[in-house]
Amino acid sequence: AQSVTQLGSHVSVSEGALVLLRCNYSSSVPPYLFWYVQYPNQGLQLLLKYTTGATLVKGINGFEAEFKKSETSFHLTKPSAHMSDAAEYFCAVMRYNTDKLIFGTGTRLQVFP
Amino acid sequence: GAVVSQHPSRVICKSGTSVKIECRSLDFQATTMFWYRQFPKQSLMLMATSNEGSKATYEQGVEKDKFLINHASLTLSTLTVTSAHPEDSSFYICRGTGLNTEAFFGQGTRLTVV
Repeated sequence: AQSVTQLGSHVSVSEGALVLLRCNYSSSVPPYLFWYVQYPNQGLQLLLKYTTGATLVKGINGFEAEFKKSETSFHLTKPSAHMSDAAEYFCAVMRYNTDKLIFGTGTRLQVFP
Repeated sequence: GAVVSQHPSRVICKSGTSVKIECRSLDFQATTMFWYRQFPKQSLMLMATSNEGSKATYEQGVEKDKFLINHASLTLSTLTVTSAHPEDSSFYICRGTGLNTEAFFGQGTRLTVV
């Protein structure tokens, strides 16, 4: 069975600091991995995804993630946090041979001035 | 770009009544619609998958008679919470996907049963 684990339910950073949100996956087949952002009482917006090819994936709003097979990780980073980045972030893996997404438990990012 | 429009965004209903949530795909044909539920401070849990013109497939532990899903057209899928109870209060989100298109989430519906 495929799954993702997000370490840290809350992450706090200062504005301008590096953002690092951790995600580890479990999959017996090459995974398709996703990062989504959710603002309060809203749906989910796709930040980026990895399917095949280049392991460093660049997304919207300055975010990027690197697929590391040896570490079974897909951590999300942003060099400099902005106040508007405060939100809930979800890592997800696509269930093999389907369009179904399996979500991690989420990480709430707080950005302090 | 393609969008999934979900309504209502918020609804409050009395215990024992039914509530219908609609998801409409704009600018694309949603051959498949996924329905998720999200409890406060928790992740999204897949409830069911519906394909246009077919019966929905429910995930283990989800009552199909309580959560009625209709996907009669390529642009509209509905979720009806029947005989709602306070424990059904949650955030419900749809996600539509079509042939050769990305999948898109609706904006979500906050259901409160009082």
